[in-house]
Amino acid sequence: DAGITQSPRHKVTETGTPVTLRCHQTENHRYMYWYRQDPGHGLRLIHYSYGVKDTDKGEVSDGYSVSRSKTEDFLLTLESATSSQTSVYFCAISAPTSGNQETQYFGPGTRLLVL
Amino acid sequence: AQSVSQHNHHVILSEAASLELGCNYSYGGTVNLFWYVQYPGQHLQLLLKYFSGDPLVKGIKGFEAEFIKSKFSFNLRKPSVQWSDTAEYFCAVNAHSSASKIIFGSGTRLSIRP
Repeated sequence: DAGITQSPRHKVTETGTPVTLRCHQTENHRYMYWYRQDPGHGLRLIHYSYGVKDTDKGEVSDGYSVSRSKTEDFLLTLESATSSQTSVYFCAISAPTSGNQETQYFGPGTRLLVL
Repeated sequence: AQSVSQHNHHVILSEAASLELGCNYSYGGTVNLFWYVQYPGQHLQLLLKYFSGDPLVKGIKGFEAEFIKSKFSFNLRKPSVQWSDTAEYFCAVNAHSSASKIIFGSGTRLSIRP
């Protein structure tokens, strides 16, 4: 599945604490993404990256920051976790599949509970 | 702005029934269209995709989807479902001009009675 791993897979934390989620890919894809999945909302894009040190905001970026210092790693940080950030977080990469078009492939997800 | 609508939130079928899940999108330009499936406790997996060409797209596990441009639709079909098709199904779209960003629908939960 496109060589994507996420860590940790499960985390329980308390409100106000910082949390960092890691996404690692093995195939040197340029684009990487962080989504959150919540019932009734599908997947919503938090941030994405189009290269080392190149990132941009998605539709639900408030309260989140990202960093990409190496091609293979894309980190998502919750500076001060809130209960509204309890969710399942998916990392994705975008891989070329046909001509200039690309398809996204997803990691296994991280289940985060903020108490 | 692009958006994707999946009007069926939860569909319940018996095994061997035929399936059609609706997906409509709003965007005036050229689009790529996707269906993803998420089995319980797992991540999203690509079922099928449409970039161009034949509007009837065949995917894995016997699924197919038809792109009807005039209706802005990309409905997912399967002639005979199995219990193992129980999952959540997500339609997604991105614009050719913005290939890096995909917009997802809110998902349809499919439950199959054995």
